[in-house]
Amino acid sequence: AQSVTQPDIHITVSEGASLELRCNYSYGATPYLFWYVQSPGQGLQLLLKYFSGDTLVQGIKGFEAEFKRSQSSFNLRKPSVHWSDAAEYFCAVGAAGSQGNLIFGKGTKLSVKP
Amino acid sequence: KAGVTQTPRYLIKTRGQQVTLSCSPISGHRSVSWYQQTPGQGLQFLFEYFSETQRNKGNFPGRFSGRQFSNSRSEMNVSTLELGDSALYLCASSSRGPTNTGELFFGEGSRLTVL
Repeated sequence: AQSVTQPDIHITVSEGASLELRCNYSYGATPYLFWYVQSPGQGLQLLLKYFSGDTLVQGIKGFEAEFKRSQSSFNLRKPSVHWSDAAEYFCAVGAAGSQGNLIFGKGTKLSVKP
Repeated sequence: KAGVTQTPRYLIKTRGQQVTLSCSPISGHRSVSWYQQTPGQGLQFLFEYFSETQRNKGNFPGRFSGRQFSNSRSEMNVSTLELGDSALYLCASSSRGPTNTGELFFGEGSRLTVL
């Protein structure tokens, strides 16, 4: 079955510390992978995406993610977290030509300590 | 340019009623998808429309339906509301064709409460 697992429901990091949010997927075909962020009361905003090519992708707001096919993972990283990064982060997988139909993980809520 | 616009933003209904939610995509986007977001189930795909045709459908009962108009605006309808239909309903639009970036652009959602 196709699925996305985000093992961490809630993570708290100190401002300025590094961040890694985990994402594992199970998908039969070549996956298109996404990370979205959602602030309270808002819709989702795309941080970055991986379709093919370089397995390390750069996104907005200083985020990056690395696709590891052998581990079925697509972890999100940021070297130095800012208080404004506090939000909920969703990993998603989809198929080529079917980008409107994404399978989302349950999300990881990020809290940032001053 | 304007983003994805969803109306109404908040609404309260009672069990057994029906509700219609509206979504206006970004200008030029012809694909509209709908998602249900709840604390327990997370984000779940409802359906996708492109050029007035339903292209994909998620695993939801027939009480959930949608349509897309010639101007790409979309509506979704939920009939015979149940308490479990309380959720944030998110609409997302995307472009297809040469300008396709593979990104979904989400609206802020319509928060439905069923009493």
